[in-house]
Amino acid sequence: ETGVTQSPTHLIKTRGQQVTLRCSSQSGHNTVSWYQQALGQGPQFIFQYYREEENGRGNFPPRFSGLQFPNYSSELNVNALELDDSALYLCASSLVAGVHEQYFGPGTRLTVT
Amino acid sequence: GDSVTQMEGPVTLSEEAFLTINCTYTATGYPSLFWYVQYPGEGLQLLLKATKADDKGSNKGFEATYRKETTSFHLEKGSVQVSDSAVYFCALTDTNAGKSTFGDGTTLTVKP
Repeated sequence: ETGVTQSPTHLIKTRGQQVTLRCSSQSGHNTVSWYQQALGQGPQFIFQYYREEENGRGNFPPRFSGLQFPNYSSELNVNALELDDSALYLCASSLVAGVHEQYFGPGTRLTVT
Repeated sequence: GDSVTQMEGPVTLSEEAFLTINCTYTATGYPSLFWYVQYPGEGLQLLLKATKADDKGSNKGFEATYRKETTSFHLEKGSVQVSDSAVYFCALTDTNAGKSTFGDGTTLTVKP
């Protein structure tokens, strides 16, 4: 059974640029959620996708957008990067949306300079 | 909106000591509650869960009971080991909104 994978591991971008982060769900999982984790804080929910549709969204501006593909892999896109976007971005997959536990990937460390 | 408050750390205990990490929440509706653990150099992983009031989640000697009347989900372990040193996160999931809310984490260090 393949776990959740994310790419790239690390990324450095300049303020104003755009970035795309990628996530492959655990086998058989049709739901993926994205989180932003600042240093010393808990993960903050960005959004969730279930069967290619956005299923819930946290308090993030529209420049944070996502996609889920038919194979349930996912992308997180961030436009017009700001310094405060520097964080660890976590992807988590679950068997179905709702109460089921989430399986987290190792994260992508984004640094905006 | 939903929120989760964990006791502030760091927490330092001697091996075989009793552990309690407090977690309280506010939520509309009936969330599911979780504890996740992050060991040094590793990703977040589920430790235990409870999906309705009075449910008790347990795993690896850790326990937590979903207390609706006190909106709490405190994590306990009777005898901690050095290998339990990690960051512990309390979280809730609003199943209707498809949204999860995490606390800020509590760092536990267990000394031999």
